[in-house]
Amino acid sequence: RKEVEQDPGPFNVPEGATVAFNCTYSNSASQSFFWYRQDCRKEPKLLMSVYSSGNEDGRFTAQLNRASQYISLLIRDSKLSDSATYLCVVIPYSSASKIIFGSGTRLSIRP
Amino acid sequence: SQTIHQWPATLVQPVGSPLSLECTVEGTSNPNLYWYRQAAGRGLQLLFYSVGIGQISSEVPQNLSASRPQDRQFILSSKKLLLSDSGFYLCAWSVRQVNTEAFFGQGTRLTVV
Repeated sequence: RKEVEQDPGPFNVPEGATVAFNCTYSNSASQSFFWYRQDCRKEPKLLMSVYSSGNEDGRFTAQLNRASQYISLLIRDSKLSDSATYLCVVIPYSSASKIIFGSGTRLSIRP
Repeated sequence: SQTIHQWPATLVQPVGSPLSLECTVEGTSNPNLYWYRQAAGRGLQLLFYSVGIGQISSEVPQNLSASRPQDRQFILSSKKLLLSDSGFYLCAWSVRQVNTEAFFGQGTRLTVV
């Protein structure tokens, strides 16, 4: 089983819609979680951290479910500029130096 | 503020030729350093990470090697490139001993022909 798994998509939704995707991880001792955004042919950039109690940044909400070992990202009122690939990141506590990326979920917002 | 530099941005190399990609970080000390590869349309594969000078952990057996000759310098090398080495190579850094996020360089797009 992969350490971090994501639905590759693509998710194709209309502008203004709400979209959510999950990321599952296999190491129950994982400590830190993040969502990154990657535009085509560019480097990934940090979108937001994921806190145990859940957190919100504008239209974006991230949540962590430790019992089921997944994190989620919700995007409300989606914009055309949200089209990108969203990567989840997990840092296992046992190896705090090792940063594992999911394979990414492609999101396409249509007008 | 911290910055990470990676070069070159694009590279076309013949099969069997050597490779050297360099990454340097400024504005921080003792960073964790990483090399990732991304094949077209795929996710990021962790190749190497380093927690200090001369300390390299390899994640997958491959045709590549990494070195960290200085605290803020990370080098990815190959003696003989294969076609399968083509991809988008990304260097990243994170703060050591803290479970924080990684910050990426702009990447090197390598095409082996």
